[in-house]
Amino acid sequence: EDQVTQSPEALRLQEGESSSLNCSYTVSGLRGLFWYRQDPGKGPEFLFTLYSAGEEKEKERLKATLTKKESFLHITAPKPEDSATYLCAAASGGSYIPTFGRGTSLIVHP
Amino acid sequence: SAVISQKPSRDICQRGTSLTIQCQVDSQVTMMFWYRQQPGQSLTLIATANQGSEATYESGFVIDKFPISRPNLTFSTLTVSNMSPEDSSIYLCSVEGELYNEQFFGPGTRLTVL
Repeated sequence: EDQVTQSPEALRLQEGESSSLNCSYTVSGLRGLFWYRQDPGKGPEFLFTLYSAGEEKEKERLKATLTKKESFLHITAPKPEDSATYLCAAASGGSYIPTFGRGTSLIVHP
Repeated sequence: SAVISQKPSRDICQRGTSLTIQCQVDSQVTMMFWYRQQPGQSLTLIATANQGSEATYESGFVIDKFPISRPNLTFSTLTVSNMSPEDSSIYLCSVEGELYNEQFFGPGTRLTVL
């Protein structure tokens, strides 16, 4: 059974304090690893797709990386507007439906 | 990416009643998905809806409780039937993106059942 585990569950940072969110996955034949941002009361907003180990993608202060067992979302010099829940999902070769993790709730204090 | 809207954005309903949630997409898509997001939980897929065929339900979800319609390539509805407080959740529709397994989500419907 495919599994996706995110850590930590919650993270509080000061503005400018860089950190990383972790997503560990166990899937049969990874087809894609996805990161989403979800603001309170809204649907998830797509951020990145990673397909193979060693791949990296960047968007503003966010950088996503992928290994054979986990993915990291690095947040560099975060701002309060980066506060949100970040969701990770993994799609396996046996299914077109990704498995989602529970998310990491990030709060960035000014 | 597709622009997805949902109606209603939120509702408070009485136990035993039913609510139909609408999902509208600004472009034609083959596959649409309905998810449930309970507090503190991950997104759980309810069913996949393809135009012209019956929806495919995931384990634990049945058509009598969550009937789905997909009359065309831009629209779908999910009905939550005979509601109980345990159905209180956020319901999300999503569509496939251009890339394999990529999905885009609507804004969600926050349902509270009293």
